[in-house]
Order: sequence, then structure tokens, then C-alpha cells
Amino acid sequence: GAGVSQSPRYKVAKRGQDVALRCDPISGHVSLFWYQQALGQGPEFLTYFQNEAQLDKSGLPSDRFFAERPEGSVSTLKIQRTQQEDSAVYLCASSLWTGVGYTFGSGTRLTVV
Amino acid sequence: KNEVEQSPQNLTAQEGEFITINCSYSVGISALHWLQQHPGGGIVSLFMLSSGKKKHGRLIATINIQEKHSSLHITASHPRDSAVYICAVLQNTGNQFYFGTGTSLTVIP
Repeated sequence: GAGVSQSPRYKVAKRGQDVALRCDPISGHVSLFWYQQALGQGPEFLTYFQNEAQLDKSGLPSDRFFAERPEGSVSTLKIQRTQQEDSAVYLCASSLWTGVGYTFGSGTRLTVV
Repeated sequence: KNEVEQSPQNLTAQEGEFITINCSYSVGISALHWLQQHPGGGIVSLFMLSSGKKKHGRLIATINIQEKHSSLHITASHPRDSAVYICAVLQNTGNQFYFGTGTSLTVIP
């Protein structure tokens, strides 16, 4: 596609439920980032992939958060046993190479009730 | 500790005014991005800078690498410019982006 596509656009989960958020980067983009943006805050880094390799996962807030990109294209961010503090917009960005211009998806707004 | 600081946090302007948003950072960078985020919408990358100045329409972005400072200017502001503007830097020692908390701009007709 022409841009980075994220789905679902909105997700409401009950506390304790597992959720999976999908990111379709621009075809051929090597680098893929996930960010978490709480209400009124700037995005916070979660994890980074180069192709299928997860090179940095230092921003994942707990072991309930897991990200994968098994074939180096689509990525999934999974959150297990969701908590209220997980409510945020989850943004995905991709670029052809590190340091080259990034394209952001529209985000998935997760609300945990 | 915030690696990226933006000011002001909130800005209200009359249509037609010249607007400046500032960004200071504390890490060595390979690139700086200015991003625009509309309410409920995604993020659009306005500029990527590593030196000097770039202009696109009514938007101008400048960066001073020695002073670790960048500015985003909007000339002849318009209500459709109302959005959150975010400064993001790519650290030159890794692949991590650091983001400012954003400047919320409202342009009143």
C-alpha cells in the first residue's frame, strides 16, 4: 500500500484480556518501530525491527508486551493480560533504511476497561 | 530526564500570525524530524533535517547542530494548521528515536 496501515483503528479490551495489534509497513521497508503514546504525552519507544530481527526491545514496559515480525514485513504487537495503564495509542513507523525518512501509521487506540 | 524539550507546550494564535515552535535536545543526533499530529489522526512527517534549513510552503524548519536546537516556523498561519507538532531526534549511536511531548497549536480565525 501507499502508507503504513495499522489495525484495528480502535480496540476496547476488558482488563485481563489479551490483544494483538497489527502493523503493515510500506512494502520493502526494512526498519519498523513501535511506539506507545499515552494521552497528552509524546510517543515513547517500545521496540525496533530490522527486517525480521528485533534489534531493540528495551522500551517494552513489561513481559506482558511481545512484538514479532516473522517474515520481515507485517508486525504484530501483543499485549497479554491487559491492564488499565496499557490504555494508549500504539503507533507504528517504517522506513526504507535507518535514518531515512519515516512514515507513521495512524495508530491503534487501545482502551482497557 | 527528557532528551528532547519543546516549547511552548500550548500555543494559541490568530489567523495570519507568524508562529515559532522550539526544540532543544541533549543527545548526539543523525537526524531531527518535525511531525504533525491532528486530533484522532495519524502522524505526518513534515521535515527531516540534519543541517541548515528546509522550506515547504508556509513551513520552515531550521537546525543548529552546535547549539542542539531546532525551530519550526509557520508563516501566515491558518486554522487548518491547528494540530500537535512533535520534534523527534534519531540518536546517532543507535536506532532509537526520542520524542518531545509536543506543542499543541490552535489557530483562531
